[in-house]
Amino acid sequence: AQSVAQPEDQVNVAEGNPLTVKCTYSVSGNPYLFWYVQYPNRGLQFLLKYITGDNLVKGSYGFEAEFNKSQTSFHLKKPSALVSDSALYFCAVPPRRGFQKLVFGTGTRLLVSP
Amino acid sequence: GAVVSQHPSRVICKSGTSVKIECRSLDFQATTMFWYRQFPKQSLMLMATSNEGSKATYEQGVEKDKFLINHASLTLSTLTVTSAHPEDSSFYICSAKLDSGTEAFFGQGTRLTVV
Repeated sequence: AQSVAQPEDQVNVAEGNPLTVKCTYSVSGNPYLFWYVQYPNRGLQFLLKYITGDNLVKGSYGFEAEFNKSQTSFHLKKPSALVSDSALYFCAVPPRRGFQKLVFGTGTRLLVSP
Repeated sequence: GAVVSQHPSRVICKSGTSVKIECRSLDFQATTMFWYRQFPKQSLMLMATSNEGSKATYEQGVEKDKFLINHASLTLSTLTVTSAHPEDSSFYICSAKLDSGTEAFFGQGTRLTVV
């Protein structure tokens, strides 16, 4: 079964520093991978996706993610963190290649301090 | 991106009553919508797939008779929590995607509290 893992429950970073939120995947075939962000008591907002093509994917709000096939990873990154980036981040993968329902990682809480 | 609207955002109900949550795709048609449940400090768990004009598909372990899903039009799916109990208190989120798209769009969620 397709799955993703987020090894860190929380990531702390100072404002202005680069941030990385980790995600590893376990899929058969070519993976389709997504990152979403959730603010308190809100639904999820789409950040970016990897379907095919360039390994470095650029998304919303200055975020990007690097698809690494050899390490089966899809880490989310941003060169300079903002306090407003503090939120819950989810990596996700469709259980089948139909882009339908999603299987989510456990989530990583990002805390950016001023 | 496409907009998915969920209503209400918060609801408190008494044990034994039923609660209906609506999920609407505002600027696109969605033949398929999804309902997720999220417990505090946990990830989202898919409950069911809502199919326009046909029966919903439920994930293993989800009670069909307790969580009634109706997808009567291409822009509206409803989730009714029947005979609610305190353990049904949770954050419920719906999502939908364009038939030609790849990413899902999520509603803002509904915080259900059963007292």
